[in-house]
Amino acid sequence: ETGVTQTPRHLVMGMTNKKSLKCEQHLGHNAMYWYKQSAKKPLELMFVYNFKEQTENNSVPSRFSPECPNSSHLFLHLHTLQPEDSALYLCASSQQSDRNYEQYFGPGTRLTVT
Amino acid sequence: SQQGEEDPQALSIQEGENATMNCSYKTSINNLQWYRQNSGRGLVHLILIRSNEREKHSGGLRVTLDTSKKSSSLLITASRAADTASYFCATADYGGSQGNLIFGKGTKLSVKP
Repeated sequence: ETGVTQTPRHLVMGMTNKKSLKCEQHLGHNAMYWYKQSAKKPLELMFVYNFKEQTENNSVPSRFSPECPNSSHLFLHLHTLQPEDSALYLCASSQQSDRNYEQYFGPGTRLTVT
Repeated sequence: SQQGEEDPQALSIQEGENATMNCSYKTSINNLQWYRQNSGRGLVHLILIRSNEREKHSGGLRVTLDTSKKSSSLLITASRAADTASYFCATADYGGSQGNLIFGKGTKLSVKP
């Protein structure tokens, strides 16, 4: 256990559905991240939040909408996704969004878009 | 942008053997980190080596960093079947204050009992 939990662990959704991924960290960290991991591609950073403020949006399509109500919780709202959005979505946290800190990852949500 | 690239892409060894994985990157870094990922799971941080360090040990792991060659290596000594996983290097920009890490595609290590 890394102290970062993600729900659900698996999600199958149609292209017209709306769903949300949830991430919670119990480490007292101030920074949280969303990553996308597709087969045979490097891990892609999507969003960074530091002290609840979004500090990075890595050119992510608007069909992905993050929300960070507090430093412990992070959501990724999904709507009108495409089949190519199928991937493992990983949440991570670190003490701060500073390059000197290691990141702690959750187990991921395996998303399949049909 | 800089990116860690691991080599080899896949490595298969017998239990008890040493495993060496390499990472190359393109631009100046503040630090380089190694992570491990079991199949379908999240990544686990293994070790962080700063740009002014040349070698670091943690448990059965040895990491080296050669900034002149822009490369790093991860050595697992006396490997066990439980070390089977994918291993990623991640580099942190030298400039700026953000903690954005750039990950490579990883080395898939298989340790056979």
